[in-house]
Amino acid sequence: QSVLTQPPSASGTPGQRVAISCSGTRSNIGSNPVHWYQQLPGTAPKLLTYSNNQRPSGVPDRFSGSKSGTSASLAISGLQSEDEAYFFCATWDDSLNGWVFGGGTKLTVL
Amino acid sequence: QMQLQESGPGLVKPSETLSLTCTVSGDSINSDNYYWGWIRQTPGRGLEWIRSIYYSGSTYYNPSLRRRATISVDTSKNQFSLKLTSVTAADAAVYYCARDLGYSGYIDNWGQGILVTVSS
Repeated sequence: QSVLTQPPSASGTPGQRVAISCSGTRSNIGSNPVHWYQQLPGTAPKLLTYSNNQRPSGVPDRFSGSKSGTSASLAISGLQSEDEAYFFCATWDDSLNGWVFGGGTKLTVL
Repeated sequence: QMQLQESGPGLVKPSETLSLTCTVSGDSINSDNYYWGWIRQTPGRGLEWIRSIYYSGSTYYNPSLRRRATISVDTSKNQFSLKLTSVTAADAAVYYCARDLGYSGYIDNWGQGILVTVSS
């Protein structure tokens, strides 16, 4: 059971906008920034957004992160077939004094 | 571009010690800015952070694995390692090494991962 809660799956058609949620508590999301990762099958997770809403160089602006209270969200606009992947959220937990993760969401592009 | 590469046995017997090494390229493990850590992933439990270390040797750890997981750094080889003792079937997972900026930052680079099976 993951510390952060994500829906196991999400889907959309090309061009659509989808959002993936990540829910936590005061000791993790409520107190610390949230980061999102994309993982293609058999590959290393890739940092997609960090510090709630920042994008590393090279990540398209179709990907955007946000946070409110103890929840966070990753939005993907202009959905493309190559976006089909597994997405997970992460943050620091002040009670654990370490990193915690969401269970991951499998995004399917229909 | 920095890369991390895990290595070690893919099969470990129950009750034995799992030993993995991460080789860092494209960056110095002596960097003031980063910690170096291990994370594992299973279909049932998802991602679980294990432990992280600074080049000086200071570490922070997941309390649930504190007694069994140790981490060390070899600056001469630009590598860091994980040892997990007394493994059981529950320790079977894909193990990733990663670079992180500590509690005020984020994990910014991951290795490809290495699948570890626990079986006699």
